[in-house]
Amino acid sequence: GAGVSQSPSNKVTEKGKDVELRCDPISGHTALYWYRQRLGQGLEFLIYFQGNSAPDKSGLPSDRFSAERTGESVSTLTIQRTQQEDSAVYLCASSLAGQPSTDTQYFGPGTRLTVL
Amino acid sequence: AQSVTQLGSHVSVSEGALVLLRCNYSSSVPPYLFWYVQYPNQGLQLLLKYTSAATLVKGINGFEAEFKKSETSFHLTKPSAHMSDAAEYFCAVSDNGGSNYKLTFGKGTLLTVNP
Repeated sequence: GAGVSQSPSNKVTEKGKDVELRCDPISGHTALYWYRQRLGQGLEFLIYFQGNSAPDKSGLPSDRFSAERTGESVSTLTIQRTQQEDSAVYLCASSLAGQPSTDTQYFGPGTRLTVL
Repeated sequence: AQSVTQLGSHVSVSEGALVLLRCNYSSSVPPYLFWYVQYPNQGLQLLLKYTSAATLVKGINGFEAEFKKSETSFHLTKPSAHMSDAAEYFCAVSDNGGSNYKLTFGKGTLLTVNP
């Protein structure tokens, strides 16, 4: 079956521009996660959606970052007024629910964002 | 907050040799622990996870990891390396309590396998 897909795979933008990254989770997965991976670093948790519950936004690094999810489907991560330090690979993952004991987070291939 | 330390950003082994990738976590309460692998140009894939059912966890592709509470470690091993094991490996730990869906990852260890 189809896995998690993300688009675009690569995005080059100029400093100060807004960007929108898209994630299509596995069908039927109620939980969706966004992570950021800077060069030479581990993945950083950004935000978590679970069904119709209020998202956990505790990992968003600044108010320039926001994310939305429509129901249990597509999610978009928006970065406003991009800065060079936003350059990273942005990874999306989904799981059946938010239970690490029984669920597995399935990751997409990521979007590589470069801010010039 | 949780933290994960992976000793060695790069490990090189010969084909057929033992693979040992080290991971230490910081937590007073054993959380859930994971090893993920990332092959070139692919997304992260779960290798194995510890959920307190057994301290020795077996995963895919012949990998296993042992949870040692006294050492706060969760090292990944494979008895005999194969060329196809060349990839980057990430150790991760979940938060405790109600936010246990939130994973903290180590910086990764790049494994190269020499013929």
